[in-house]
Amino acid sequence: AQKITQTQPGMFVQEKEAVTLDCTYDTSDPSYGLFWYKQPSSGEMIFLIYQGSYDQQNATEGRYSLNFQKARKSANLVISASQLGDSAMYFCAMVGSNSGYALNFGKGTSLLVTP
Amino acid sequence: DVKVTQSSRYLVKRTGEKVFLECVQDMDHENMFWYRQDPGLGLRLIYFSYDVKMKEKGDIPEGYSVSREKKERFSLILESASTNQTSMYLCASSLGRDIYYEQYFGPGTRLTVT
Repeated sequence: AQKITQTQPGMFVQEKEAVTLDCTYDTSDPSYGLFWYKQPSSGEMIFLIYQGSYDQQNATEGRYSLNFQKARKSANLVISASQLGDSAMYFCAMVGSNSGYALNFGKGTSLLVTP
Repeated sequence: DVKVTQSSRYLVKRTGEKVFLECVQDMDHENMFWYRQDPGLGLRLIYFSYDVKMKEKGDIPEGYSVSREKKERFSLILESASTNQTSMYLCASSLGRDIYYEQYFGPGTRLTVT
């Protein structure tokens, strides 16, 4: 069984600052993928970044980077230079090789970027 | 760009009605998924499908069924809607069965059962 934990229900950050959203996971799958999605108030889920369990380097996509620490089973999302448009819900999710390839989501973190 | 569309953004139904939620994707994806999203609970998997006429139960299948007669279309059916099925329903699709395939989501259907 897989479990994704996001311990921060809500976060505040000032515009142009960096922010880290925490995600820890637990799985018995030998290989797995970790995803971060953004959900603005409009409701659509937007894919941000992916990290494979076998990847040696941390993933980066523009202002998003994933701080992957396999031994600690953590996959934190770092957003650099926050913008007002980053205000949204953020979900960490996992797919496992033995778990049917459906996404298993955390409960999300609400991020508010202030001017 | 991959496009996943859902038949309605908002839907209001009465208790006991049979409800159909339709989802269509236009990128020939193999896999399709239905999730429901409730405040404080995140997204939970209802059903998924790896191929036409194939379906697998997710974490919370009770009270739901699905149909996939064509590759591009995946329908979620509430056989007899109940108030505890009031929720946001999200459909998603992905290209194949591996850990690196991202899922593309539709805009969601906010269903209210009265």
